[in-house]
Amino acid sequence: AQKVTQAQTEISVVEKEDVTLDCVYETRDTTYYLFWYKQPPSGELVFLIRRNSFDEQNEISGRYSWNFQKSTSSFNFTITASQVVDSAVYFCALSVIGANNLFFGTGTRLTVIP
Amino acid sequence: DAMVIQNPRYQVTQFGKPVTLSCSQTLNHNVMYWYQQKSSQAPKLLFHYYDKDFNNEADTPDNFQSRRPNTSFCFLDIRSPGLGDAAMYLCATSRAGTSGRGTDTQYFGPGTRLTVL
Repeated sequence: AQKVTQAQTEISVVEKEDVTLDCVYETRDTTYYLFWYKQPPSGELVFLIRRNSFDEQNEISGRYSWNFQKSTSSFNFTITASQVVDSAVYFCALSVIGANNLFFGTGTRLTVIP
Repeated sequence: DAMVIQNPRYQVTQFGKPVTLSCSQTLNHNVMYWYQQKSSQAPKLLFHYYDKDFNNEADTPDNFQSRRPNTSFCFLDIRSPGLGDAAMYLCATSRAGTSGRGTDTQYFGPGTRLTVL
């Protein structure tokens, strides 16, 4: 069975602070894919990143960075110098070969206070 | 820009009155999904089309149906909406690659927020 846990339900930070959103996953599959999506108040799920299980390299995209560690089954997401526009719900998700759907975590609501 | 479009963005219907939500895409993806998302919850997959092949999730109520007349369009029909069907409905598309349809990136539309009175 596949499972994604986002233990942080809500986080509030002051603008310009760094913040890390945690994601822990469970799967017995050796090949799997991990995703992060952003859902702003408008409702649209915006794709941020996709990583496969064979690529443990960390990734940086502007103020966003992702730390993938298979040893701890974690795929954490860090926003550096947070901005008000980063306020949203962030979902971590997992997919495996043969499954049709994404297994979503319950999401973390991030509020950036000006 | 290639995108996923959903209409309408907001839909109000009456209890028991059939409603249809639409989704179109310019990405030319062969897989289209419908998700239901209730407040403060993760999206829940209802069904998906792989080309013309319809795939229903086991726990999707019969009240929910879908049509895909061509590659670009997909519809969600709720035959007799109940109060519990009030939710955000998200359409997504992906290009199923060699790793299987579930593993490719899904691109979501802006959603239709359904209110049932």
